[in-house]
Formats: sequence, structure tokens, C-alpha cells
Amino acid sequence: GAVVSQHPSWVICKSGTSVKIECRSLDFQATTMFWYRQFPKQSLMLMATSNEGSKATYEQGVEKDKFLINHASLTLSTLTVTSAHPEDSSFYICSAPTGEYGYTFGSGTRLTVV
Amino acid sequence: AQSVTQLDSHVSVSEGTPVLLRCNYSSSYSPSLFWYVQHPNKGLQLLLKYTSAATLVKGINGFEAEFKKSETSFHLTKPSAHMSDAAEYFCVVSDRGSQGNLIFGKGTKLSVKP
Repeated sequence: GAVVSQHPSWVICKSGTSVKIECRSLDFQATTMFWYRQFPKQSLMLMATSNEGSKATYEQGVEKDKFLINHASLTLSTLTVTSAHPEDSSFYICSAPTGEYGYTFGSGTRLTVV
Repeated sequence: AQSVTQLDSHVSVSEGTPVLLRCNYSSSYSPSLFWYVQHPNKGLQLLLKYTSAATLVKGINGFEAEFKKSETSFHLTKPSAHMSDAAEYFCVVSDRGSQGNLIFGKGTKLSVKP
């Protein structure tokens, strides 16, 4: 079946540095990628939607200059957390539609900013 | 607008007893509904989905859910809980059809006692 490979699975970074998270579709073309954030003991909240070859669409309250999304090819979407702060520590997960009502999720990235 | 309400934040059952995780939805048109399971620090796995076909949907690992339009419900059930079922479960509705964003409920944590 369709697989989305997400890396890294976990990362610890210092406050003020940037972190890039990658999601690759391994056996299908992902024209759309959804990026979610999940705080501890909470549900997933959509941050942004990326579409190949165009600018990402951000949800209200999500800073587009802080969370840079690039979807330069049909198999790769990236999320870069710039100038990370401890409050950005969270579980980030991507998801791509994979046909009729199907969605495939990456395995998630646990980000800890110290 | 679509929304999902999971009525219980935590459900605890004994191994071998039935599981019922409740979900109500709100949608302005015929929705697509999903149940996902998330084990600790892992990504999401699709259990089952409803997409306007049969109202009783069978999923993996013995789970099933029934779409009841009159009650706007999509409760998840399993006849006999297994220890490995302990996880977080999310009821999800699709926004804007098959390629739309997924809107997550707040999740129900299922605990299974030996």
C-alpha cells in the first residue's frame, strides 16, 4: 500500500536553531500533504496544507514565516521549524491523500526544543 | 462546517469484554468518517472508514463501526478487548470530500485491564 516516510522520528534541538522534517511518498505521487501538530494529551490540529508547485495554505494562528513548508516535488514535502523555541516542542505528523477516501500518515516526528 | 465529538476521554475495560468508543459528528453534507488508532509515540493507523456505502463498517483487528445518520453517530465497537488494543483512538471526519482535510476528535484513551 501507499507509504509516507517521515524523518526524523525524533529530534532534540537548541532554542533558536532550525529543524527540518521530511515526508516522502514512497510509491505514489503526493500532490497534497497535510501537516498536523499534536500537543501532549491533545488531538491533532491541522497546521497547513501544501500542494506541489504552489504556496502552502496555513491555518489561522499558524505563523507561515516560522513554519516553512516546501513541496517542490510530487514525492517530497518538508516542514522547517525556524528559530525553534521550547513552546514549539510537539509531535508533528504529515498525511497525504492516497485515492478514494484514503489517507496515509507518516510515523511522526517528536520535536523537543531545549 | 464539520466537527467531531468523542464523548469519552478515557475508557477502561477488562480483557475479553466488549469495547464501545462513542463518536458524534456534525456535517453539512454526507460525510466520510474514519477511526484511527495511535499507539504511544507512533503514527496513526487506519482502523476503518465509512464513505457512504454500507452503514456497518468492518475494520482491522476485529473492530467495527456503524454509521447512524439519524443519530449523527459513528461509534466504534469490538466484541472482545485484547491487551494490545490499549491505545488512543481518534474519530475523524473528512472535510470537503475525499481530498479534504481530516478533522480529528479529541481522542479516547482505551485502557485494557488483565
